[in-house]
Amino acid sequence: GAVVSQHPSWVICKSGTSVKIECRSLDFQATTMFWYRQFPKQSLMLMATSNEGSKATYEQGVEKDKFLINHASLTLSTLTVTSAHPEDSSFYICSARTSGSMNEQFFGPGTRLTVL
Amino acid sequence: QKEVEQDPGPLSVPEGAIVSLNCTYSNSAFQYFMWYRQYSRKGPELLMYTYSSGNKEDGRFTAQVDKSSKYISLFIRDSQPSDSATYLCAMLYSSASKIIFGSGTRLSIRP
Repeated sequence: GAVVSQHPSWVICKSGTSVKIECRSLDFQATTMFWYRQFPKQSLMLMATSNEGSKATYEQGVEKDKFLINHASLTLSTLTVTSAHPEDSSFYICSARTSGSMNEQFFGPGTRLTVL
Repeated sequence: QKEVEQDPGPLSVPEGAIVSLNCTYSNSAFQYFMWYRQYSRKGPELLMYTYSSGNKEDGRFTAQVDKSSKYISLFIRDSQPSDSATYLCAMLYSSASKIIFGSGTRLSIRP
């Protein structure tokens, strides 16, 4: 199956700093990538949908100026958490969707962000 | 009311037992139904994908969709300790829409 990677897998940062998370589709081209956030023992909550070459579409309640998304190529999307605070600590997961008939999404392994 | 309801568990069963996981949903417009398995601190992986109503079987896993009752199920036969994970049901209105996830059920298979 298609493989999606994320980097880093775990990051610890100080409050007020910015953190960039990369999501790559390794063996396919993804016209659309998604960013999710998952708090402990909770489900995945969609943050934004990113289409290559265009601005991301953010879900209600997600601050677009705080969570910057760039989808510059068909294999790479980045999420930058700006001025991170302890409440931003969470598990961030990306997924990439192929353009095949099933439009299946493939999920990355996730990035654990801890803001001190 | 949430669009998708799923009992969070935890559910603990002995090895070899048949496991039944369920979700209910409120919007009859959902057409695609999925089950994902998520191990601790990992991304979800797709287990089963069903379009509309009916049953689908893949090895020890069987997915059932009852659109008239707005109820979907995942059955795991001959459960193994390696099946211990969180299982998330998920749904789509159309193949191009965003995925709506259930809250996930934590399953533990006791050796």
